[in-house]
Parts: sequence; C-alpha cells; structure tokens
Amino acid sequence: DAGVTQSPTHLIKTRGQQVTLRCSPKSGHDTVSWYQQALGQGPQFIFQYYEEEERQRGNFPDRFSGHQFPNYSSELNVNALLLGDSALYLCASSGGTVGELFFGEGSRLTVL
Amino acid sequence: QKEVEQNSGPLSVPEGAIASLNCTYSDRVSQSFFWYRQYSGKSPELIMSIYSNGDKEDGRFTAQLNKASQYVSLLIRDSQPSDSATYLCAVRLGGGADGLTFGKGTHLIIQP
Repeated sequence: DAGVTQSPTHLIKTRGQQVTLRCSPKSGHDTVSWYQQALGQGPQFIFQYYEEEERQRGNFPDRFSGHQFPNYSSELNVNALLLGDSALYLCASSGGTVGELFFGEGSRLTVL
Repeated sequence: QKEVEQNSGPLSVPEGAIASLNCTYSDRVSQSFFWYRQYSGKSPELIMSIYSNGDKEDGRFTAQLNKASQYVSLLIRDSQPSDSATYLCAVRLGGGADGLTFGKGTHLIIQP
C-alpha cells in the first residue's frame, strides 16, 4: 500500500521564479493538505483540498496556490519566490471523519 | 491566534527510563490532539491521536489529555536510542477540515 508520495524531493530556484510541487495521497484518502516547515520550526498549515476545492487556508499570501485533481492528487504552486520561501514543503493526506494526517517525505525547496 | 507551546529541549533521558514530553495550547475549543515523531531530515510520522480527556496507551507510548488545563503530554516507557528524535505536538480546532497547528517540537535524546 503506497503511502503519500511527493515530487520533486529537492529543488533549487532563484528569487522571482515560480515552482510547482506535486503530491499523490495515500490509497483511500480523498483530502490533501499542504504544510511549510522552516528549519527548526514546526510545520505551518498552508491549505487543504477536498473534492477539488480549497476547503480551508492558513495565513499564507496569494502567491501560494493549489489544485486538486479528480484522482485526489494535488499540486502546490508558489509564484514570485522569496528567499524566505526556502523550506521543506510537506503534503499530508487524510480520509474519513477521524482526520489523522499522514505525511509524505516532503519537497525541500531552496531559493537563492 | 492559536498557539501550541512545547519546550524545545534538548531533553536528555537515560535508556530504559520514561521520557515525558509536554505541550500546552491556547485555544480552549480545540478538539483533536496529535503527537508526531520527526527524525532529522525526515517527515513527521504520526505516533498517537487523542480526543477525550484521560490517558490513551499504545505499546510503549501513552498520551494524556487534560482539556481543562489545556495540556497534552506524551510518555515513552522503556526509552530506546531509536526514540531519539524531535516530537511535535499538533492541535486541531474543530473537525477534519481544520488545519493542524503545530508546536516547534521537543528534541529528545536517549542516552545509551
């Protein structure tokens, strides 16, 4: 049973560029959430997607956007990258009413 | 502003002893509580979830919740060197649609 998969695992961008990160949820899960984890900090909630719609959003600017596809996979897009966007980006999936989150291995973004 | 507070540590515990990790949260209406373990360079891994006041045991792990005191803890019995990691406390305000609010984590070191 495949867990949550994310791609790419590492990437380097320069300021002002755009990035797209991808996530496939755990089998049987229909909800995908994205988190940003800076070094030495806990993950911070970006947004959650369910039934192809953004259901809730954390305190992140509009430069952060996302999408969920009919197969429940998801993308996170970040425009006009800033140095402060350097972080580990975590995708988590969940299903049912309990809502326990299971994380992928993350995409480590470095902005130069 | 929802906040989750943890002592960053490091917390050093001898092998075989009980490790006690603590977490307080600010939002009184929080409903769901989670403990994640995160090894250096890896993604968070769910250890325990707890929703009601009292204790919940799973193997060597016991989660304790006191909603009146807005306090949740994790006990690890018979600590092993492989338990050395950062432990993240996470809180959800309401149902499954709400994002998790994480603490910064406690760095636990089990001394052989």
